[in-house]
Amino acid sequence: SAVISQKPSRDICQRGTSLTIQCQVDSQVTMMFWYRQQPGQSLTLIATANQGSEATYESGFVIDKFPISRPNLTFSTLTVSNMSPEDSSIYLCSVEPTRTGTETQYFGPGTRLLVL
Amino acid sequence: GDSVTQMEGPVTLSEEAFLTINCTYTATGYPSLFWYVQYPGEGLQLLLKATKADDKGSNKGFEATYRKETTSFHLEKGSVQVSDSAVYFCALSDRGGSNYKLTFGKGTLLTVNP
Repeated sequence: SAVISQKPSRDICQRGTSLTIQCQVDSQVTMMFWYRQQPGQSLTLIATANQGSEATYESGFVIDKFPISRPNLTFSTLTVSNMSPEDSSIYLCSVEPTRTGTETQYFGPGTRLLVL
Repeated sequence: GDSVTQMEGPVTLSEEAFLTINCTYTATGYPSLFWYVQYPGEGLQLLLKATKADDKGSNKGFEATYRKETTSFHLEKGSVQVSDSAVYFCALSDRGGSNYKLTFGKGTLLTVNP
């Protein structure tokens, strides 16, 4: 497994502003993922962030709105840009520690975002 | 595309009752299957997993068997406790590309009363 931390744990932001969420892992991992969990809903994958390459975004998510950085094998950031109340969600990062073929992902504690 | 359908909640049980949360999936190929649990105010934790047909995943008294013939991965526990109150998510992993993508069901809220 892996120990994953996220900062901030929660925030309240004004519409039109941007927030950068950090994800730190205690070991080097190839694959990191960012998910969104809207209130009362399931998790939706935003993008996959592999070190040394551009993030791969899922349908409905674009880089201008959710820019991602992956500067090394233990760290990634997700920025939520030009926020609106509809962006109020829990944002989670996850990692797949090793390519064992079991595709098991481990999740951080999440960042709870409220946009007013 | 891949999809996961799980039992609508909420589910309310008394302590020591038997629990079943149904989960069925649609996928191309041979996905791995997972159950994750989200306790109040916390992130997701992996509860159990199965990587091939007829595998049984188990953890903390919970079990689920990968049934390829019925495309199901139902979660069961013989005797639930108040501490099991949480949201349970069934998920599958798509092995189709170079990236592994988890597809989640909508989640089932379980409340266990003393």
